[in-house]
Amino acid sequence: SQQGEEDPQALSIQEGENATMNCSYKTSINNLQWYRQNSGRGLVHLILIRSNEREKHSGRLRVTLDTSKKSSSLLITASRAADTASYFCATALSGGSQGNLIFGKGTKLSVKP
Amino acid sequence: NAGVMQNPRHLVRRRGQEARLRCSPMKGHSHVYWYRQLPEEGLKFMVYLQKENIIDESGMPKERFSAEFPKEGPSILRIQQVVRGDSAAYFCASSPGSHTDTQYFGPGTRLTVL
Repeated sequence: SQQGEEDPQALSIQEGENATMNCSYKTSINNLQWYRQNSGRGLVHLILIRSNEREKHSGRLRVTLDTSKKSSSLLITASRAADTASYFCATALSGGSQGNLIFGKGTKLSVKP
Repeated sequence: NAGVMQNPRHLVRRRGQEARLRCSPMKGHSHVYWYRQLPEEGLKFMVYLQKENIIDESGMPKERFSAEFPKEGPSILRIQQVVRGDSAAYFCASSPGSHTDTQYFGPGTRLTVL
């Protein structure tokens, strides 16, 4: 599997429900970031969690990081139709001078009104 | 504080022509990154630059692609002799300092090669 692989690939829920997306990665990271992309648009940064953190909150978003399992989850509570988008996790590797984020293929979230 | 700006937003080129994509980072950001996104795919890293320096170009194709970030002006991603396979969305991101900071993305340039 790729570094930064999201699961599920697609998720369809009703407005008001919670949405959970998972991300797995393979190598040691400095941090992990979640982004949202609306169809045909740029990426919007949602949250960054560092390797020494376990959980972060931002509004209706909750991100967890388990470095022992090399996985992260993004929870969106009380979803809205406007949350419909693709969600990507991206990892910044630890060490070296690499500047790149490694993205997964994303989870397509559809929130039905 | 304006976000990352990219232009043009859409670019159409015929095979063999050159494509120039521009990126102005957020004010105060000195680190710029370029990514490419194919349809239904995640973003793939291409190159990381600081002012006047290429820091990491491990994702750049060896031929036809080049990038610069001059002391003055925007960062430029240049694709020479474009081919149909270059059709994609190209995103630029910037960060204020360390490459491990949050990267803020521009709206992208959608390149179509006819």
